[in-house]
Amino acid sequence: GIQVEQSPPDLILQEGANSTLRCNFSDSVNNLQWFHQNPWGQLINLFYIPSGTKQNGRLSATTVATERYSLLYISSSQTTDSGVYFCAAAYNFNKFYFGSGTKLNVKP
Amino acid sequence: GAVVSQHPSWVICKSGTSVKIECRSLDFQATTMFWYRQFPKQSLMLMATSNEGSKATYEQGVEKDKFLINHASLTLSTLTVTSAHPEDSSFYICSTSPSLTGELFFGEGSRLTVL
Repeated sequence: GIQVEQSPPDLILQEGANSTLRCNFSDSVNNLQWFHQNPWGQLINLFYIPSGTKQNGRLSATTVATERYSLLYISSSQTTDSGVYFCAAAYNFNKFYFGSGTKLNVKP
Repeated sequence: GAVVSQHPSWVICKSGTSVKIECRSLDFQATTMFWYRQFPKQSLMLMATSNEGSKATYEQGVEKDKFLINHASLTLSTLTVTSAHPEDSSFYICSTSPSLTGELFFGEGSRLTVL
C-alpha cells in the first residue's frame, strides 16, 4: 500500500496560536482525507481534498498531488482542537491508508 | 455526510469465544466496506475490503480464518473475531463511501477486550 507520513508527531500549542500539519505520501493518489479523532475514537471528517485548497472556518487544507503532500492549517487554535489528526490517502478508489497521526494539545 | 453505524460499541469476552461486530450503512447502499484496526496510541491499519456478494479481500498479514468478514447485503457487513485471544483486543472500525471515488465515512468503532 501507500506509505503515508505525518509530521510533527506531537504538537503543543498555546490557545490562539496557528499551526500547520503535514502529510507526505509515497505514490500518486486519487483520494486524500483529513480526520480528527476524538477521545472516544470517533473519526470526524475534516476535509476530502484530493487536490487544491479548501477552507472550513478556522481550518483549511491544501493538497499538491504532483508533489505528494498535503497540509492542514489550524488558525486561532482552541482547546477543543486537541486530539489526534490523521491524514489518509488512496490510489485505488476508497482503499485508504493512514498516516501515524499528529497528536495536538492546545493549552489554555 | 453519510451515516455509518457499528454495533456493539464495546464488548468484553472470554478467551476462546467468538465475537461478531456489525457495520451498517444507514442512508446509502454500500457495495464495498472497509475494516480497520487500531491499537492504543497507534494509527489505523487496513485489515480487509468487504465486497457485497463476494469474498473479502484481506491485507497482507491479516489472518483470514481469524477475522471472518461477511457482506451479505448492500447495507450490512460483519466482522467476526474467531477464537478471540487477549492479543485481539483492539479498536475495530469500519468505513464506506457512497461512491467508488468519493469521501470515506467511518462508523463509531467497536472496542473489543478479550480477557
